[in-house]
Amino acid sequence: GAVVSQHPSWVICKSGTSVKIECRSLDFQATTMFWYRQFPKQSLMLMATSNEGSKATYEQGVEKDKFLINHASLTLSTLTVTSAHPEDSSFYICSALTSTGLWAFFGQGTRLTVV
Amino acid sequence: GEDVEQSLFLSVREGDSSVINCTYTDSSSTYLYWYKQEPGAGLQLLTYIFSNMDMKQDQRLTVLLNKKDKHLSLRIADTQTGDSAIYFCAENPTLGGGADGLTFGKGTHLIIQP
Repeated sequence: GAVVSQHPSWVICKSGTSVKIECRSLDFQATTMFWYRQFPKQSLMLMATSNEGSKATYEQGVEKDKFLINHASLTLSTLTVTSAHPEDSSFYICSALTSTGLWAFFGQGTRLTVV
Repeated sequence: GEDVEQSLFLSVREGDSSVINCTYTDSSSTYLYWYKQEPGAGLQLLTYIFSNMDMKQDQRLTVLLNKKDKHLSLRIADTQTGDSAIYFCAENPTLGGGADGLTFGKGTHLIIQP
């Protein structure tokens, strides 16, 4: 089946630094990728929709200058958490949409801890 | 907007059947999905059902869809300890496919008692 690789799996960073998370579709091209955030014991919250070659669409309440998304190719989207703070600590998950738009395959997730 | 509801917890004994329920509000949903999330991991697509089907069976998994009541269920037969996870119900609200994100329920935490 389709594979989406997310890297890193976990990261610990200091307050004020930036962290980049990569999401790659390994065996299919994904025009659209999504970034989700999951708080403990809660469901996924869609942060933004990433479209190859264009600006990402952010959900209401998500700061686009803080969560920078770059979808430079059909197989790679990156999420950069800039000037991270402890409240940004969370589990971030990406998903890549197949060309039919019906199937979304998820990365393994990235556990971000800001200290 | 679209809404997907699930119970937060379900506890079953090992070997029994587990039934996880989900209700949704968007009648235009094309596909409905069940995802499994093990601790610290990403989501894994377990199974799906197309909106014109009532039932789909895949080994130990049975999905039932009542489109009139907008009710979806996932039955896991002979529940094992490896089935312990959070199960998310999700719908694709865009008829005919599209680039919108899926709408997820909050997830049901399946707890297996020995």
